[in-house]
Amino acid sequence: DVKVTQSSRYLVKRTGEKVFLECVQDMDHENMFWYRQDPGLGLRLIYFSYDVKMKEKGDIPEGYSVSREKKERFSLILESASTNQTSMYLCASSIRAGGSYEQYFGPGTRLTVT
Amino acid sequence: AQTVTQSQPEMSVQEAETVTLSCTYDTSESDYYLFWYKQPPSRQMILVIRQEAYKQQNATENRFSVNFQKAAKSFSLKISDSQLGDAAMYFCAYSDMRFGAGTRLTVKP
Repeated sequence: DVKVTQSSRYLVKRTGEKVFLECVQDMDHENMFWYRQDPGLGLRLIYFSYDVKMKEKGDIPEGYSVSREKKERFSLILESASTNQTSMYLCASSIRAGGSYEQYFGPGTRLTVT
Repeated sequence: AQTVTQSQPEMSVQEAETVTLSCTYDTSESDYYLFWYKQPPSRQMILVIRQEAYKQQNATENRFSVNFQKAAKSFSLKISDSQLGDAAMYFCAYSDMRFGAGTRLTVKP
């Protein structure tokens, strides 16, 4: 079975802190994604990556950056956390590009910024 | 840009009954894929069913089936013989990056 893991289930950070969210997949998937999930808004794409060291902005990249140094790992970075970044963050991976392949999701990280 | 609309924030169904969740989308493309995902409480999101737009036949997976109306840009999910374990958030998705707001399904015993 494909497994996508995220470094923390719950995280509490202070405003202005730099925050790292880590995601690891074990099935050699080329695509990896970061979403935030908010009630009434569904999942919104922050960034995605279709290869090592490659990244593309999604719909809401402001305030975030990403890093993909190894194929299995995709990190989301909040450069200076703000209260409006309090949310559930979901990582996902899929085999390759084209939009035709299902995504496999991690358990999510619930981030609270105080 | 493509948009996905789920107009039912919440739905409820009696155990063993049938329920239909609605989804509409907007696109100018002719070839694409549509998905329904399920997110149980405090558990990981998983794929329920997938539909390829060029296939006219509606996809089915056991008790789950879709009604895909390409011209109307509609993609509804039907759950037959509902079970308590079907209680979850359901998300409609266009290809691999565009999700709807979700529908919370409650199953009453």
